[in-house]
Amino acid sequence: NAGVTQTPKFQVLKTGQSMTLQCAQDMNHEYMSWYRQDPGMGLRLIHYSVGAGITDQGEVPNGYNVSRSTTEDFPLRLLSAAPSQTSVYFCASSYRYEGTYNEQFFGPGTRLTVL
Amino acid sequence: GQNIDQPTEMTATEGAIVQINCTYQTSGFNGLFWYQQHAGEAPTFLSYNVLDGLEEKGRFSSFLSRSKGYSYLLLKELQMKDSASYLCAVRPHNNNDMRFGAGTRLTVKP
Repeated sequence: NAGVTQTPKFQVLKTGQSMTLQCAQDMNHEYMSWYRQDPGMGLRLIHYSVGAGITDQGEVPNGYNVSRSTTEDFPLRLLSAAPSQTSVYFCASSYRYEGTYNEQFFGPGTRLTVL
Repeated sequence: GQNIDQPTEMTATEGAIVQINCTYQTSGFNGLFWYQQHAGEAPTFLSYNVLDGLEEKGRFSSFLSRSKGYSYLLLKELQMKDSASYLCAVRPHNNNDMRFGAGTRLTVKP
């Protein structure tokens, strides 16, 4: 199993450009999520999904879109990149255990710089 | 709002015991998590508490008091490889939203 994979590892964008960060998992996990991590602020949840066709907003959803057409993939789209979106982005997945999603498995991260 | 507080940095000696505290004030409570994150790497899951008490897993233990909004992570027999950031996270409701603290950077010295 590859676990949770993310591409690209590094990306530099100019303000106003759009792009999609890719995330895939091969563990058949229902739950997938996207976080951003900034120095001194910890991980902040952007969007999450509990299954194909179902997405919901987290703490900081503005400027980002997601979709979940398959169990495996959960791409994150930046509509019009801004310098404030410079961050490290982590995708994570989890399985249901006794009715809840607990342990999250994180991908290696994408380091994004917006100039 | 949701507040999750942890010390920013801690230092301990190899072989010793260290306790990392986490206090939270959230609109609800449906579980508390601890993750370990080495510099430049992804977080990895350590523990989960939803009921009051102590959960032990090898050298690592996690404690929860829901009435006090308080948890701690206890690391025993510290090793150099335990130098990392430790992240406390709370799930406020049953809708799978998650809130993380800023993390505690632990340095283990010889």
